[in-house]
Amino acid sequence: GAVVSQHPSWVICKSGTSVKIECRSLDFQATTMFWYRQFPKQSLMLMATSNEGSKATYEQGVEKDKFLINHASLTLSTLTVTSAHPEDSSFYICSARHRDREVVSPLHFGNGTRLTVT
Amino acid sequence: QKEVEQDPGPLSVPEGAIVSLNCTYSNSAFQYFMWYRQYSRKGPELLMYTYSSGNKEDGRFTAQVDKSSKYISLFIRDSQPSDSATYLCATAIYNQGGKLIFGQGTELSVKP
Repeated sequence: GAVVSQHPSWVICKSGTSVKIECRSLDFQATTMFWYRQFPKQSLMLMATSNEGSKATYEQGVEKDKFLINHASLTLSTLTVTSAHPEDSSFYICSARHRDREVVSPLHFGNGTRLTVT
Repeated sequence: QKEVEQDPGPLSVPEGAIVSLNCTYSNSAFQYFMWYRQYSRKGPELLMYTYSSGNKEDGRFTAQVDKSSKYISLFIRDSQPSDSATYLCATAIYNQGGKLIFGQGTELSVKP
């Protein structure tokens, strides 16, 4: 149980275009989802916390107008990278917390999306 | 100083060896501790979760937490080539909405 599906797993786009990444909790409802970014051989850097039905909370230094997050339902959150540039190329990973779990409990991660901007 | 420090390795061991992976943290307010395993180009997978000092065992894996020295460890017994991955420690504080703070990750290679 507790499967998180992320789509697409790999995407290449041209500079200036926008890319949407989906994160779905398949067998549970998630009131909170987190979006991370990971560079090669680096740790996961939290970008934003997404709560169902409310605005996302962005970490310091993350441009909210560039990384649009929508958490419209208890099983789906989306991250849209707007006007992508080569420096946005990275591995983006989402995670979700089961709605019935306590606030601090392990997160379930998707398999990530590798974004390459040319 | 990073909140969670972890030696990135790489660490290479022969099959069957006991592996010790370690992290230190700076904030004594951290209450919850986790270990994740991440294979190349995949998302992290939860291995162990604990919130108290002491040992927690699950199969070949043992997580150890020493809050007095702010030190957490993961031991892998009888290591297998399939254990080759990056291991990430993570901590959290209850009143920060459950945000996890990750270490850099240690790259482990188990040679047959």
